[in-house]
Amino acid sequence: DAGVTQSPTHLIKTRGQQVTLRCSPKSGHDTVSWYQQALGQGPQFIFQYYEEEERQRGNFPDRFSGHQFPNYSSELNVNALLLGDSALYLCASSFEWSGIQREKLFFGSGTQLSVL
Amino acid sequence: GNSVTQMEGPVTLSEEAFLTINCTYTATGYPSLFWYVQYPGEGLQLLLKATKADDKGSNKGFEATYRKETTSFHLEKGSVQVSDSAVYFCALMRSGSARQLTFGSGTQLTVLP
Repeated sequence: DAGVTQSPTHLIKTRGQQVTLRCSPKSGHDTVSWYQQALGQGPQFIFQYYEEEERQRGNFPDRFSGHQFPNYSSELNVNALLLGDSALYLCASSFEWSGIQREKLFFGSGTQLSVL
Repeated sequence: GNSVTQMEGPVTLSEEAFLTINCTYTATGYPSLFWYVQYPGEGLQLLLKATKADDKGSNKGFEATYRKETTSFHLEKGSVQVSDSAVYFCALMRSGSARQLTFGSGTQLTVLP
């Protein structure tokens, strides 16, 4: 059973460019959340997708957008990259209707984005 | 708002030493509390959790008790191993928050043989 998979694992971009990161949730999971983890910091919530819609959003600008596909996979897009966007981007998946297990998130290994 | 405060790191211990990593939180309502572990080059793994006051989460020799009166969720292990070297994150999930986690800044643990 594959866990949460993210691609690519590493990415280097320059300021002003746009980037797309991809996430495939754990088998059977229907909800995908994205987090940004700056070096030496804890992850910060970007947004969550469920039923192909953004359900909740953290304190991130509109440059950060996303999408969820019918197969539950998801993309994170960042436009007009800034140096400060350099971070590890983590995807987490869960299953909406699993009772108390709703709280159990499974994380991928992340995409390390470097903005030069 | 919600926040999590972890003890300043890094922490360096000898093998078989006792481990405590302090965590306190601020949240409205009754959040669920978590400890996640991140090994080098990997994503986060759930270590343990507690969903209500006085609950004790435990896993792989690690324990943490949900203390509502002190708003704390300290992580403990009686005898650490070299393989426990990792970054540990305390986190909370507020009820009704669509499973949004709020993390602390992490504590780097290094265990020396």
